[in-house]
Amino acid sequence: GAGVSQSPSNKVTEKGKDVELRCDPISGHTALYWYRQSLGQGLEFLIYFQGNSAPDKSGLPSDRFSAERTGGSVSTLTIQRTQQEDSAVYLCASSLEDRGAADTQYFGPGTRLTVL
Amino acid sequence: KDQVFQPSTVASSEGAVVEIFCNHSVSNAYNFFWYLHFPGCAPRLLVKGSKPSQQGRYNMTYERFSSSLLILQVREADAAVYYCAVCGNQGGKLIFGQGTELSVKP
Repeated sequence: GAGVSQSPSNKVTEKGKDVELRCDPISGHTALYWYRQSLGQGLEFLIYFQGNSAPDKSGLPSDRFSAERTGGSVSTLTIQRTQQEDSAVYLCASSLEDRGAADTQYFGPGTRLTVL
Repeated sequence: KDQVFQPSTVASSEGAVVEIFCNHSVSNAYNFFWYLHFPGCAPRLLVKGSKPSQQGRYNMTYERFSSSLLILQVREADAAVYYCAVCGNQGGKLIFGQGTELSVKP
């Protein structure tokens, strides 16, 4: 079956513009996660959804970042007024539920965002 | 602060057993996850759990605050970044280390 997909695979934007990154989780997975990998850094948690609600938004770095999920499926991560420090690879993962270690998170290939 | 620590690089030779060590300071985390990441591709889970376990050539050791990933009979194709992560028993947030870049000499 299909894995987690993300689009676009690459995005180049100018400082100050808004961008939207999309994640299509594995069908039937109720939990969806967003992570970020900045240059030379590890994977950093941003936000996760259980269904359409976001119980944990603790990783969002500023109020310029927001995410939504509709229909318990597709999620969109929006970054407003992008800054150069937002340049990173944004990874999405999904799991059957959010039971922590009991549910494996499957990752997408990521969106590489470059802010000029 | 909740952190996961792992070496930034490990070097090995083909056929050897490679060990990548990881430890953490996350108070409510009991489970380790080891992911393989080829840049540009999706990170892939190798092994996970709260006890020693094995999946093919990948072994995971377990202590309450530390784990090692052992790669048996390492090959050049295993050269990649290996991430250690921990997760508490509730909720799904993974806390990742910085990643260990494995290089393998022929």
